[in-house]
Amino acid sequence: AQSVAQPEDQVNVAEGNPLTVKCTYSVSGNPYLFWYVQYPNRGLQFLLKYITGDNLVKGSYGFEAEFNKSQTSFHLKKPSALVSDSALYFCADRSGGATNKLIFGTGTLLAVQP
Amino acid sequence: GAGVSQSPSNKVTEKGKDVELRCDPISGHTALYWYRQRLGQGLEFLIYFQGNSAPDKSGLPSDRFSAERTGESVSTLTIQRTQQEDSAVYLCASSLGGIGPDTQYFGPGTRLTVL
Repeated sequence: AQSVAQPEDQVNVAEGNPLTVKCTYSVSGNPYLFWYVQYPNRGLQFLLKYITGDNLVKGSYGFEAEFNKSQTSFHLKKPSALVSDSALYFCADRSGGATNKLIFGTGTLLAVQP
Repeated sequence: GAGVSQSPSNKVTEKGKDVELRCDPISGHTALYWYRQRLGQGLEFLIYFQGNSAPDKSGLPSDRFSAERTGESVSTLTIQRTQQEDSAVYLCASSLGGIGPDTQYFGPGTRLTVL
């Protein structure tokens, strides 16, 4: 079955340092990969997606993600973390077939220390 | 423009009662999704509506759960005879729809607590 893995429950980084939030996906057809961010008591906000084309995808708030087919990964990155980036991050893959439902990872809590 | 809205934002109910959760999608979006987010877990797909096609109900956890959508507008998720394990945040999302992996935009969610 299709699945998405986020191996880290929490990532800690100092403000100003680069950050990486990891995501791997199971291979089942063409992956369509998404990153969402969730702030406390709020819904999910779309950050970026990979459909096809360039492996490096740029998104909102200075985030980017790199699609790596050989490693089946789609890690989220940002060159310089802000305290305001502290939130819960979800990676997702679109399921195959007629339904566009998303298969989500379990989420990674990003904590940026000032 | 207006995003996806959901009501109520919070709902506390007693075990065995029925609840209705409402979702107003972004205007013009033909696709609508319901997900459930249990504490400390990712999102689980519940149901998907696309235009006038039959909905994909494959994620509904039991026959106590049902959902309706009026045309391409409002959707209601109903949980009958609620159980404590139904406590979760219920998130609605909408997208333009059609063929292809378009972006889903999420509402703020309804936090359901079953006592």
